[in-house]
Amino acid sequence: LAKTTQPISMDSYEGQEVNITCSHNNIATNDYITWYQQFPSQGPRFIIQGYKTKVTNEVASLFIPADRKSSTLSLPRVSLSDTAVYYCLVGDADNFNKFYFGSGTKLNVKP
Amino acid sequence: EAEVAQSPRYKITEKSQAVAFWCDPISGHATLYWYRQILGQGPELLVQFQDESVVDDSQLPKDRFSAERLKGVDSTLKIQPAELGDSAMYLCASSQMGLDSTYEQYFGPGTRLTVT
Repeated sequence: LAKTTQPISMDSYEGQEVNITCSHNNIATNDYITWYQQFPSQGPRFIIQGYKTKVTNEVASLFIPADRKSSTLSLPRVSLSDTAVYYCLVGDADNFNKFYFGSGTKLNVKP
Repeated sequence: EAEVAQSPRYKITEKSQAVAFWCDPISGHATLYWYRQILGQGPELLVQFQDESVVDDSQLPKDRFSAERLKGVDSTLKIQPAELGDSAMYLCASSQMGLDSTYEQYFGPGTRLTVT
């Protein structure tokens, strides 16, 4: 499975747009890209999943360039409650949904 | 909204004792996962079931850990004997393909294990 690389931490202020980039140079043709959010002492929560181009839902957007070797999670107008760890996962959704978590990015939103 | 259930929520056990965790996935979810998360790290997949069959247990320490999902519904993860390094959060998740063809894993609240 493709390994992912993310920044260890990021700081932002309330109301700003936050972009977290994930590198996955060895992504395979069948691999999807998925992002999860985790608060302390809770299980991770699904944010968004995509294969190529752009995906948007009610909480985030996911941008995937044509070569798919990286992806960017975009969180619009963050609030203090968005302070959490964000994980980028790459895996084969058609192969029993095998995805592996990396170390994640700790996002700290300041007032 | 349906949720993944786990019990117990907290467990303190002594080194060399046996410990077991239980997970009840969302009804109808064929895929079930057990993860171990050490403080400050990402979840590490221990075992993945598709119905009652194991599809990935490559990271499961089989000398002391075992997992089963006999009827393809709920699952039990056992550690025997427990070691100090097993202190961690044990997370269970389940998934199925959504209507929009996304695969979303739904996580339970976890079991916090402390080995003394």
